Amino acid sequence: DAGVIQSPRHEVTEMGQEVTLRCKPISGHDYLFWYRQTMMRGLELLIYFNNNVPIDDSGMPEDRFSAKMPNASFSTLKIQPSEPRDSAVYFCASSFYTWGELFFGEGSRLTVL
Amino acid sequence: AQSVTQLDSQVPVFEEAPVELRCNYSSSVSVYLFWYVQYPNQGLQLLLKYLSGSTLVKGINGFEAEFNKSQTSFHLRKPSVHISDTAEYFCAVSGGSEKLVFGKGTKLTVNP
Repeated sequence: DAGVIQSPRHEVTEMGQEVTLRCKPISGHDYLFWYRQTMMRGLELLIYFNNNVPIDDSGMPEDRFSAKMPNASFSTLKIQPSEPRDSAVYFCASSFYTWGELFFGEGSRLTVL
Repeated sequence: AQSVTQLDSQVPVFEEAPVELRCNYSSSVSVYLFWYVQYPNQGLQLLLKYLSGSTLVKGINGFEAEFNKSQTSFHLRKPSVHISDTAEYFCAVSGGSEKLVFGKGTKLTVNP
């Protein structure tokens, strides 16, 4: 398997623009997680899905953030409108279980100017 | 709910020296414990895990960790580090069916 695939790897945008990050989990994994990593706050769980259904979105910072998982092989994280404080590395991860080993993608580095 | 404390945010060591990265956790249920490593500009990857059984767990790249239930600790050790071990290391815990909770990370810098 190719592992968790994220795109784009790098995104530079201007404040107010819409940003869409994409993730393809490992086939057969029932759980998908979106994390955000910054120097100040470390690794934060934003939201996770089980069998394409959002289970816990308590980490989503505000209404500007939304995530979808239309099928088992694709998820998106959208920020609209983006702000400079959204600049971070966003990771997608997948696993068989909530408590088990997570497999991470290489991340999407977002810079909002 | 679970929580994880990584006691050192940065650990500098010289090459070939031993290293210990400390991790303490709190949980009201039985736990599963993990160490992940993140190399620069990469995602996290699993270094080792404790699910049950032997309290001494061996992982990749010569790392090992010991689960100490009475001390609620899961410290990571390596007897002799290499320059290539320079990375950030994350301890994580989950309990029962709960999702993983990560610590804030320890940046290990190995100097020549």
